[in-house]
Amino acid sequence: AAGVIQSPRHLIKEKRETATLKCYPIPRHDTVYWYQQGPGQDPQFLISFYEKMQSDKGSIPDRFSAQQFSDYHSELNMSSLELGDSALYFCASTPPTGRSTEAFFGQGTRLTVV
Amino acid sequence: AQSVTQLGSHVSVSEGALVLLRCNYSSSVPPYLFWYVQYPNQGLQLLLKYTTGATLVKGINGFEAEFKKSETSFHLTKPSAHMSDAAEYFCAVSEGPGNQFYFGTGTSLTVIP
Repeated sequence: AAGVIQSPRHLIKEKRETATLKCYPIPRHDTVYWYQQGPGQDPQFLISFYEKMQSDKGSIPDRFSAQQFSDYHSELNMSSLELGDSALYFCASTPPTGRSTEAFFGQGTRLTVV
Repeated sequence: AQSVTQLGSHVSVSEGALVLLRCNYSSSVPPYLFWYVQYPNQGLQLLLKYTTGATLVKGINGFEAEFKKSETSFHLTKPSAHMSDAAEYFCAVSEGPGNQFYFGTGTSLTVIP
């Protein structure tokens, strides 16, 4: 079965650079979530999209932005990277409301800022 | 508001022993409860979930959890630990479909041969 695909799997950037993380949800899933997991930390919710519109916002820095496209894939854009942005970034997707309650997570993008 | 508390950031058990990972939650609405497992450098994999109905939920790899509303708990158990169970376990709560997940801080399970 198709899963949530995230790319790239690993990314190394320098401070003050920009990064773009991509997420391809499971086909026919209409909601995408982004989470940030720092070393030894629990996943922290950043932002979510439903039907290409932002549906909820968590602890996402102003330096970050995200969007969901017409094919439901989502991109997380990160600018002016800081050392503290080094983390594992997860994307999750859920099917149309009422059809399932669980979120399916991708394997994550490990971002290292040096 | 939703929150999750996992007691014990590290749990060690001997192979073959009972596994008990504790999770307590707070929720202003009937919660949807989940346990996810994370192996090193891997994503989150769903072990089991509670939405409605039977309060004892069975998941993959022999794990089960019981929703106890009076105790606001959703503890994860497995009768006999296996070496392959060594991983990070996260309890999560959600208000329902389409809502964000709130995760606990995780419990690292070590299985001793």
